[in-house]
Amino acid sequence: AQSVTQLDSQVPVFEEAPVELRCNYSSSVSVYLFWYVQYPNQGLQLLLKYLSGSTLVKGINGFEAEFNKSQTSFHLRKPSVHISDTAEYFCAVSVSSGSARQLTFGSGTQLTVLP
Amino acid sequence: KAGVTQTPRYLIKTRGQQVTLSCSPISGHRSVSWYQQTPGQGLQFLFEYFSETQRNKGNFPGRFSGRQFSNSRSEMNVSTLELGDSALYLCASSFQGDSGNTIYFGEGSWLTVV
Repeated sequence: AQSVTQLDSQVPVFEEAPVELRCNYSSSVSVYLFWYVQYPNQGLQLLLKYLSGSTLVKGINGFEAEFNKSQTSFHLRKPSVHISDTAEYFCAVSVSSGSARQLTFGSGTQLTVLP
Repeated sequence: KAGVTQTPRYLIKTRGQQVTLSCSPISGHRSVSWYQQTPGQGLQFLFEYFSETQRNKGNFPGRFSGRQFSNSRSEMNVSTLELGDSALYLCASSFQGDSGNTIYFGEGSWLTVV
């Protein structure tokens, strides 16, 4: 079984400041890693994903994440945030083998960008 | 290309009733999965369908069921509703053969049980 831990439930940050949202995972098998964003009253939108290869992954809206296998982490970063980045962010994993499509999510991090 | 479409967006039901939620996946996607989102439990996997067959199931009681049609559209049903079933139900689709298992979500159906 897999599990995902998002270490911060809430992250307040001032506009134009950098931000890092932390994610750690646990799995006995290889996994794919994802970050999704959820704006109020909306579904989930994929920000970025790590499948293999380069450990630094770039996504939409200026976000990037770095996969660290030894620390089983997949932290999300943005060098300069905007008010419009205020949303809830979810880290997720899925097993990289087999045909089943199932995501295991962390509990989410509410990012609030302050003016 | 249209995204994942879910209907209805909002609904209110009474305890003991049943509800059916509908989902149309992205064109060409054959895998449809359902998730429940609540403030207390977060996002939890319900089940996944592929080619009209349930391929994977989460840890939910038998009151939660689903099906997929030949056009890949899917429905989920919750019978004998309980207050705790109040949640956002998210449908997601993915394309078989996508080795990255990218899953695209709809905007969800908000269910309130009173």
